[in-house]
Amino acid sequence: QSVLTQPPSASGTPGQRVTISCSGSRSNIGSNDVYWYQQFPGMAPKLLIYRNNQRPSGVPDRFSGSKSGTSASLATSGLRSEDEADYYCATWDDSLSVVVFGGGTQLIVL
Amino acid sequence: QLQLQESGSGLVKPSQTLSLTCAVSGGSISSGGYSWSWIRQPPGKGLEWIGYIYHTGSTYYNPSLKSRVTTSVDRSQNQFSLKLSSVTAADTAVYYCARGEGGNSHFDYWGRGTLVTVSS
Repeated sequence: QSVLTQPPSASGTPGQRVTISCSGSRSNIGSNDVYWYQQFPGMAPKLLIYRNNQRPSGVPDRFSGSKSGTSASLATSGLRSEDEADYYCATWDDSLSVVVFGGGTQLIVL
Repeated sequence: QLQLQESGSGLVKPSQTLSLTCAVSGGSISSGGYSWSWIRQPPGKGLEWIGYIYHTGSTYYNPSLKSRVTTSVDRSQNQFSLKLSSVTAADTAVYYCARGEGGNSHFDYWGRGTLVTVSS
């Protein structure tokens, strides 16, 4: 069981806005920056959001991140079929002294 | 453009030692401020961070794996390595190497990953 809790799946139709949540605690999300990764089947994860809400160069502005207290969210607006992938949140946990990942959310475009 | 490429044995027998190397190209492993991590993903499951090493040789490991993990860096070959001892079937996974910014969960470049199967 992951230290960071994500819903196993999320879905939406093209053009919709979909949000994926990541719930943690004071020792992880509450104290450190959150990162989001996108992973397509058979591929390596790709950094999507860093430091809670920053997008690396090349990531569409349809993707946005936010953090409040011990939770974080990834939002995808204007959903496209090519957004169908697994999404993972990650951060450092001060109590466990380890990088922790969420269990991952499969985003399905209906 | 920085590139990372994992290599090593794809099949390891139980109780033996898994050995992988990550070759870095397009940049120097000695660049300051970066850490070099190993992350794994069992088939159909989520990601698990194994540990990281700096070009100075400084290391930090996941406490759950610390007793079995050794990493090293070879600055002359611009590569870093992972050894995981006393493997079991639970260590079967795709192993990724990745560059990190400092000692947090900011991994900006990843290798393609290599599947390691533990089986007799």
